Amino acid sequence: DIVMTQSPDSLAVSLGERATINCKSSQNVLYSSTKKNYLAWYQQKPGQPPQLLIYWASTRESGVPDRFSGSGSGTDFTLTISSLQAEDVAVYYCQQYYTTPYTFGQGTKLEIK
Amino acid sequence: QVQLQQWGAGLLKPSETLSLTCAIYGASFDDWYWGWIRQAPGKGLEWIGEIKQSGSTGYNPSLRGRATITIDTSKNQFSLKVTSVTAADTAVYYCVRGVGHGWGQGTLVTVSP
Repeated sequence: DIVMTQSPDSLAVSLGERATINCKSSQNVLYSSTKKNYLAWYQQKPGQPPQLLIYWASTRESGVPDRFSGSGSGTDFTLTISSLQAEDVAVYYCQQYYTTPYTFGQGTKLEIK
Repeated sequence: QVQLQQWGAGLLKPSETLSLTCAIYGASFDDWYWGWIRQAPGKGLEWIGEIKQSGSTGYNPSLRGRATITIDTSKNQFSLKVTSVTAADTAVYYCVRGVGHGWGQGTLVTVSP
């Protein structure tokens, strides 16, 4: 299985500041024929299902604010929130869907400093 | 806009079979692939399996062959069965469209003697 490792496990950022979450896969998730990275990012708030933020590593899901962005390729990826808002407090997960079983990172808990 | 509505028994005894169904609204089964993800209390996300438009399926080996996903195209629904459940199967189960482009509301399944 591909192991997804996120860092840090938790993060406290001041309102209006930038938040950065990293995700590293144990294997390459860039499919050469499509030139796409099979990597997604989710946000989960307590008591709610996760919400897809980013897929193909950098494509924002419809309706997701543009302060959320994804970058990276191959095995190293980053989710950036450019200006943290109070409603962004949540747990964030990365997921590879390059090969089954699709696997998730352990999650990063984002809080307000 | 696609909506997923899921239902099924929430309390099971060890060795019983978990059975959940997810109804698709606002999309056709043929448009995407569909899957199930679960989340144990206070834990991260685990991919269970998926069913593609062709009817082909894939499962997480961690379930050791106990999971089966089926479709009923006449009702635009798909279902999950997990046999021989144990306390380790206690979790919130979500049905999903594709790579999280839509989630059911979640069903808490508790396995207890």
